[in-house]
Amino acid sequence: GQSLEQPSEVTAVEGAIVQINCTYQTSGFYGLSWYQQHDGGAPTFLSYNALDGLEETGRFSSFLSRSDSYGYLLLQELQMKDSASYFCAVVDTGRRALTFGSGTRLQVQP
Amino acid sequence: SQTIHQWPATLVQPVGSPLSLECTVEGTSNPNLYWYRQAAGRGLQLLFYSVGIGQISSEVPQNLSASRPQDRQFILSSKKLLLSDSGFYLCACQLTGFEQYFGPGTRLTVT
Repeated sequence: GQSLEQPSEVTAVEGAIVQINCTYQTSGFYGLSWYQQHDGGAPTFLSYNALDGLEETGRFSSFLSRSDSYGYLLLQELQMKDSASYFCAVVDTGRRALTFGSGTRLQVQP
Repeated sequence: SQTIHQWPATLVQPVGSPLSLECTVEGTSNPNLYWYRQAAGRGLQLLFYSVGIGQISSEVPQNLSASRPQDRQFILSSKKLLLSDSGFYLCACQLTGFEQYFGPGTRLTVT
């Protein structure tokens, strides 16, 4: 089976940097994805890591360490619109589906 | 680019009533399709996925079922709703091996 652990809530101030961690256990692993979901909305894809290291997309970066079964999403220059829930998800080799973590609710304060 | 339509957007149904939620996809052919449910403040629970017409894989044994009568149509059904079926139902299609695109969702309240 698969399981993912994320902090339930993170609070940060506008302009700051925040890191959202994700640890996972899975029997088969292709990579780690990150999704953003605003209240009442659908999740939207942010990034994906198949290999160890850092992937950067604008203000967002995502990191993966396969040996540690660990990844994180880094959000820089936080803006109020970044207040949302963030989910990590593993791509499972056993089936063609994603398994999502329970999500981290980020609150950006002025 | 892909577009996913889901309807209705919101639904209030009594316990024991039937359910039919429809999802249609535009802009792609032969997509992998998924149904998720999200309880308030929780993560996404995969319910069903389909890799082709008539091919359905069930992740969670419960009173829900899914069908894929056409390539870009995915239907979620129930014969008798339970209170625990309340939630936000999301249809998604797989764009690549690791990226899924989600529809706008249906918010179901079972009373």
